[in-house]
Amino acid sequence: DIVMTQSPDSLAVSLGERATFNCKSSQSVLYSSNNKNYLAWYQQKPGQPPKLLIYWASSRESGVPDRFSGRGSGTDFTLTISSLQAEDVAVYYCQQYYRTPQTFGQGTKVEIK
Amino acid sequence: QVQLQESGPGLVKPSETLSLTCTVSGGSMSNYYWNWIRQPPGKGLEWIGYIYYSGDTNYNPSLKSRVTISVDTSKKQFSLKLTSVTAADTAVYYCARATTVVSYFDLWGRGTLVTVSS
Repeated sequence: DIVMTQSPDSLAVSLGERATFNCKSSQSVLYSSNNKNYLAWYQQKPGQPPKLLIYWASSRESGVPDRFSGRGSGTDFTLTISSLQAEDVAVYYCQQYYRTPQTFGQGTKVEIK
Repeated sequence: QVQLQESGPGLVKPSETLSLTCTVSGGSMSNYYWNWIRQPPGKGLEWIGYIYYSGDTNYNPSLKSRVTISVDTSKKQFSLKLTSVTAADTAVYYCARATTVVSYFDLWGRGTLVTVSS
């Protein structure tokens, strides 16, 4: 299985500040034939299911605010919240869909400082 | 819009079979892959398996010997059976939609907590 490792485990950021967290895969999730990274990001608020934010490493899902952005390639990826809002408090998960079984990172918890 | 709703017993005894159903409302099951994903309390997410609307299935090897996913397109439902459960199977179980065989999940149900306990 491809192991997804996220860092840090938790992060406290002031309102309006930038929040950046990382996801590393144990092998590349870049498919050379189409140059796409098979990597998604989700946001999970307490008591709710995960919500898809980003797919193909950098494509924003419809309706997701543009303060959320994803970047990276191969094995190293980043999700950035450009200006943290109170409603962004959540756990964020990355997921690879390059190979079955699809696997998730352990999550990064984002809190307000 | 399309919605997913899980249903089933919230308590299952050890060694018995966990059975859950996901009902799809507001849209068609055709051309999508229908998945089960679970999350133990306070922990991360684990993909269990999927069924295509035509009936093709694929399971996580870690659970394959105990899992069966089936579909009833006439009722717009798909179901999960997990046999020989233990306390380690206690989790929130989600149903989710994907657009391809190995994919991200663009639509999730609200989840249902299943506790394995005598």
